Amino acid sequence: DGGITQSPKYLFRKEGQNVTLSCEQNLNHDAMYWYRQDPGQGLRLIYYSQIVNDFQKGDIAEGYSVSREKKESFPLTVTSAQKNPTAFYLCASIRVNEAFFGQGTRLTVV
Amino acid sequence: DQQVKQNSPSLSVQEGRISILNCDYTNSMFDYFLWYKKYPAEGPTFLISISSIKDKNEDGRFTVFLNKSAKHLSLHIVPSQPGDSAVYFCAATANAGGTSYGKLTFGQGTILTVHP
Repeated sequence: DGGITQSPKYLFRKEGQNVTLSCEQNLNHDAMYWYRQDPGQGLRLIYYSQIVNDFQKGDIAEGYSVSREKKESFPLTVTSAQKNPTAFYLCASIRVNEAFFGQGTRLTVV
Repeated sequence: DQQVKQNSPSLSVQEGRISILNCDYTNSMFDYFLWYKKYPAEGPTFLISISSIKDKNEDGRFTVFLNKSAKHLSLHIVPSQPGDSAVYFCAATANAGGTSYGKLTFGQGTILTVHP
């Protein structure tokens, strides 16, 4: 089945650690996005990529990094510079203004 | 600066009645609007959309209304069902001359609870 796969579903990070969230899609979409959801704040855009080997910062990119070496993959690294990383992270691919979302990764700092 | 706002954090409705979820936007460049439904610990799923050339779009129990002059859209669910209980996000994008890579800007979400 075509879709967006995020892994892991739950992730625990110690303070000071970098962690990488995986996002894979087999929809053949060019554009991929990372959003963060916090209670009462909706979905905020972290990074997005419209084509392989190119990406742009979203509204809250500080403390995050991404890569887009393959069309199918858009991993997000949460670095130690991100001061409040505990959140629900959503990856999406977009075709003609419609976003298809993965199931999300819940990241918790312990 | 919140370009898409859902000012009601929550809405409670009786089963069978109408649910009306509201969304306001400030960016006049937005020309395409979408509603998404989200259950806890899952990704949002697409519900319905509307282009700025229309003022209404209907799909079964779901109808979206767009008032461009007021920069306001609303989602009507009739009749509401307990399974509709979820968080609803509105989203907007500027089509940028027809590219297919529209950046979606989301509102904060409204938690809808439909009581049996």
